[in-house]
Amino acid sequence: DTGVSQDPRHKITKRGQNVTFRCDPISEHNRLYWYRQTLGQGPEFLTYFQNEAQLEKSRLLSDRFSAERPKGSFSTLEIQRTEQGDSAMYLCASRSPIQGAQPLNTEAFFGQGTRLTVV
Amino acid sequence: GNSVTQMEGPVTLSEEAFLTINCTYTATGYPSLFWYVQYPGEGLQLLLKATKADDKGSNKGFEATYRKETTSFHLEKGSVQVSDSAVYFCALASGGYQKVTFGIGTKLQVIP
Repeated sequence: DTGVSQDPRHKITKRGQNVTFRCDPISEHNRLYWYRQTLGQGPEFLTYFQNEAQLEKSRLLSDRFSAERPKGSFSTLEIQRTEQGDSAMYLCASRSPIQGAQPLNTEAFFGQGTRLTVV
Repeated sequence: GNSVTQMEGPVTLSEEAFLTINCTYTATGYPSLFWYVQYPGEGLQLLLKATKADDKGSNKGFEATYRKETTSFHLEKGSVQVSDSAVYFCALASGGYQKVTFGIGTKLQVIP
């Protein structure tokens, strides 16, 4: 399967601990997004990478959150000093590069997400 | 900013009933519109999309028409099946980075 892969699928952590999630996008997709989905809500945008550059961050991304994409391939999302309010599903999505006159609105492919529970 | 409003569920229908899930949006520029589906225990999957006004997206018997005049993108299916039970998200993408803004999601339960 060459879809978007996220690891781990589930993470339970104690409040105050640090956690790191990994996303492997579809090969050759240079655009990568992180979203957060809480119970009963739609996913909310967190941050966007084009290649290795982090081009946009949501206000939802507090100082405790940091995302990287060092080589423009996989990405990591780290949460420091976790709080119970961080409990959510963290979703990663990727998109193919913009090429010439190709419309910008190519499909975003989502991974299955990492479910974080902070106890 | 951009926003998507969709009817809250849950929606419970009998098999072969007609489905409508309403969705309206607010956006700057000319967004693309999507319906995503999330089956139990699975990730988000694109169900259908429309990229400009009056476009109709369709897939698996589902349809939605991009209505710019009413800023709507209602999802319809003529005859639902038990296997259609899932959560449906209306969404839009706009701007240079094409980040997606989602609605709250509508849970559909189809009973035999």
